[in-house]
Amino acid sequence: DAGVIQSPRHEVTEMGQEVTLRCKPISGHDYLFWYRQTMMRGLELLIYFNNNVPIDDSGMPEDRFSAKMPNASFSTLKIQPSEPRDSAVYFCAGQGDGTGELFFGEGSRLTVL
Amino acid sequence: AQRVTQPEKLLSVFKGAPVELKCNYSYSGSPELFWYVQYSRQRLQLLLRHISRESIKGFTADLNKGETSFHLKKPFAQEEDSAMYYCALSRHGGSQGNLIFGKGTKLSVKP
Repeated sequence: DAGVIQSPRHEVTEMGQEVTLRCKPISGHDYLFWYRQTMMRGLELLIYFNNNVPIDDSGMPEDRFSAKMPNASFSTLKIQPSEPRDSAVYFCAGQGDGTGELFFGEGSRLTVL
Repeated sequence: AQRVTQPEKLLSVFKGAPVELKCNYSYSGSPELFWYVQYSRQRLQLLLRHISRESIKGFTADLNKGETSFHLKKPFAQEEDSAMYYCALSRHGGSQGNLIFGKGTKLSVKP
């Protein structure tokens, strides 16, 4: 298993553009989490899903952020329109082996100019 | 409110010296605590969890409910221990994996 796969690994865009980040979790994991990592705030939970259903999106900073999980093998995090303060590394993580361990992707580094 | 505090952003020690990465938490229930590590150019990964009471790569961490702490310790640091370390608290029991992370401590082990 290649683990959690995220794309793109790096994205540079201009303010106002739409950004879509993608995640393919490990097969069989029924929880999926989106985290944002910045120097100032560390790792922040944005939203998480259980069996493709959003459970808690209280960490989503603004209406500009949205996330979907149309099926068990794919999730997206969208920012529209993007702003420079959205620059961060966005991590997707899966969980579901009963141990509580989170399995992280390599992250998507977003830079909004 | 649930909170995880890692007071040190950066910790620098020499190889062979003892190391302690501090973590304090605030949680009204019965906590489940973890340490995650991110080595350079690698994914964030689980290092250890308090329930297991295990030692991984020479690291141990003891949950002290009286002091609400879960400090990570290693008696003799190695250069390969240089990494970013995150303490994390599970709010709903470990099986749901809904973790609150501290801001992290960067450990630098010098030769």
